[in-house]
Amino acid sequence: DAKTTQPNSMESNEEEPVHLPCNHSTISGTDYIHWYRQLPSQGPEYVIHGLTSNVNNRMASLAIAEDRKSSTLILHRATLRDAAVYYCILRDVLDSNYQLIWGAGTKLIIKP
Amino acid sequence: SAVISQKPSRDICQRGTSLTIQCQVDSQVTMMFWYRQQPGQSLTLIATANQGSEATYESGFVIDKFPISRPNLTFSTLTVSNMSPEDSSIYLCSVGGGPNYGYTFGSGTRLTVV
Repeated sequence: DAKTTQPNSMESNEEEPVHLPCNHSTISGTDYIHWYRQLPSQGPEYVIHGLTSNVNNRMASLAIAEDRKSSTLILHRATLRDAAVYYCILRDVLDSNYQLIWGAGTKLIIKP
Repeated sequence: SAVISQKPSRDICQRGTSLTIQCQVDSQVTMMFWYRQQPGQSLTLIATANQGSEATYESGFVIDKFPISRPNLTFSTLTVSNMSPEDSSIYLCSVGGGPNYGYTFGSGTRLTVV
């Protein structure tokens, strides 16, 4: 699976939007972009995923660059409960192992 | 999405002993994954467990140390054997349906070896 690069940490104010970037310059045409988050003392939680088009769900939005070499997870109105480590992961649809390769992620700090 | 019940949630164990961690899924799944998360680190895949076949271990992990059972499509166990303080970590199980589906994780087992 291709590699992703994320900032180690980011800070944001409560009730403001948060944009979490992810670079994946070696992405292939069959890689899906997955985002997960891990709240303190909990297992990871699925947030969103996409292939080419932007995606929205109740938790967040995923904006994918036209060349697919980067993506941005958008939390529209951050709350203190959104403080977590956010992981951007690529999953190749042709990989039958169904594994996720985890990077270091971005620690999101929300200031009240 | 599937719901996973993982237990125990935490344990403190003596070195040289073994601990078995259980994961129960509320639906039938083909693949289950076991991860280790060392303090302050990201997740590392230990093995992939398919029902009816031997688990597939990642580099650096061996069956004698981390035996896995997968007796049916809703249940799996991971045993951490002959524990040492270096085994102190969070252990997580996960299920997923492939790259176009999100993966679900258990709440984790926080193991401390003394």
